[in-house]
Amino acid sequence: TQLLEQSPQFLSIQEGENLTVYCNSSSVFSSLQWYRQEPGEGPVLLVTVVTGGEVKKLKRLTFQFGDARKDSSLHITAAQPGDTGLYLCAGRSGTYKYIFGTGTRLKVLA
Amino acid sequence: EPEVTQTPSHQVTQMGQEVILRCVPISNHLYFYWYRQILGQKVEFLVSFYNNEISEKSEIFDDQFSVERPDGSNFTLKIRSTKLEDSAMYFCASNGGEQGPSYTFGSGTRLTVV
Repeated sequence: TQLLEQSPQFLSIQEGENLTVYCNSSSVFSSLQWYRQEPGEGPVLLVTVVTGGEVKKLKRLTFQFGDARKDSSLHITAAQPGDTGLYLCAGRSGTYKYIFGTGTRLKVLA
Repeated sequence: EPEVTQTPSHQVTQMGQEVILRCVPISNHLYFYWYRQILGQKVEFLVSFYNNEISEKSEIFDDQFSVERPDGSNFTLKIRSTKLEDSAMYFCASNGGEQGPSYTFGSGTRLTVV
């Protein structure tokens, strides 16, 4: 069974601080996605990474896919209260489905 | 921006009843999915649908579940005889290509079985 473990599970930081969220697995994924989910809403796709070692930037968010395609990280620079939410990684398993990680709940305090 | 639409947003049903959850995927997408999220737990894959047939399903997707694309726009999930443990948020998603860069989730249907 493929599992994606995220760490930390919870994170509470002050506005302006930097943070990194990790997504780890013992399995290789052909691609990996990061989502943000608000309470009562569906996950919203932030990025898809496909190539081992790939780095993608989305404003203050930097996503990296591990060289072996087993892990990924999300780094947020100068966090803002609007970044508060549940961050999910999801690895592509086979052709048609994504396996979701355990989630990291981020709270940014003003 | 194109979106995936799900109805109803909330459904309450008696145990043993049949429910149908409806989804309108993004019009030019080819791949369709159902996921569920039990309160406080992670998002779980149920089923994927491509070229008018199920392409993959999880162990959760047993004989009580079925999916259908009755016309060119709707994609439905039917639960034949609901159980208490079916209570969850059910998310529909659609995707324009295999790699998933256009993977889009709907806002979900909260199913409560009483």
